[in-house]
Amino acid sequence: AQSVTQLGSHVSVSEGALVLLRCNYSSSVPPYLFWYVQYPNQGLQLLLKYTTGATLVKGINGFEAEFKKSETSFHLTKPSAHMSDAAEYFCAVSETSVGSQGNLIFGKGTKLSVKP
Amino acid sequence: DAGVTQSPTHLIKTRGQQVTLRCSPKSGHDTVSWYQQALGQGPQFIFQYYEEEERQRGNFPDRFSGHQFPNYSSELNVNALLLGDSALYLCASSRIGYQETQYFGPGTRLLVL
Repeated sequence: AQSVTQLGSHVSVSEGALVLLRCNYSSSVPPYLFWYVQYPNQGLQLLLKYTTGATLVKGINGFEAEFKKSETSFHLTKPSAHMSDAAEYFCAVSETSVGSQGNLIFGKGTKLSVKP
Repeated sequence: DAGVTQSPTHLIKTRGQQVTLRCSPKSGHDTVSWYQQALGQGPQFIFQYYEEEERQRGNFPDRFSGHQFPNYSSELNVNALLLGDSALYLCASSRIGYQETQYFGPGTRLLVL
């Protein structure tokens, strides 16, 4: 069965500092991987996704993530944090086999705080 | 281009009642998935609809049912509400076969008293 583990339920960084949010997954088949962001009282916004091809994926708002198969990881990074990045971030995995892509499995989320 | 829309935004019900939540997918999308997000948790998959049929289902009881209409919009119905059904209900739409990236609506917050 697939699962997602996000290390650290809360991460706090200073404005301008590196953001690193960790995500490890387990999957018996090659996965599709996603990062979503959720601002307070809102739905989820897609930041970036890995499906096939290049393992370094660039997303919106300056975020990127690298798929490392050997480490079963898909960590999210941003070189310089901005106050507007404060939100909750969710890593998700889905199967790639046809007919099984509908079920996104989410991690429990990491709340990012940005200090001025 | 309108994104995924959901109605209502908030809802208060009492135990034992029934509720219907609605979702309109993003333009060009034909598949709708529903998720339940309890407070402080990640979303959990309820089910997915394509071509007006339930395509996949997560680990939710039969009290949770759905429907998809010919215009691809969808409803989520929950019967015999329990206190534990209080959550944010998220709808996501996607296009079948296109790596199925799901785009989420703003959600409906349901409170069961």
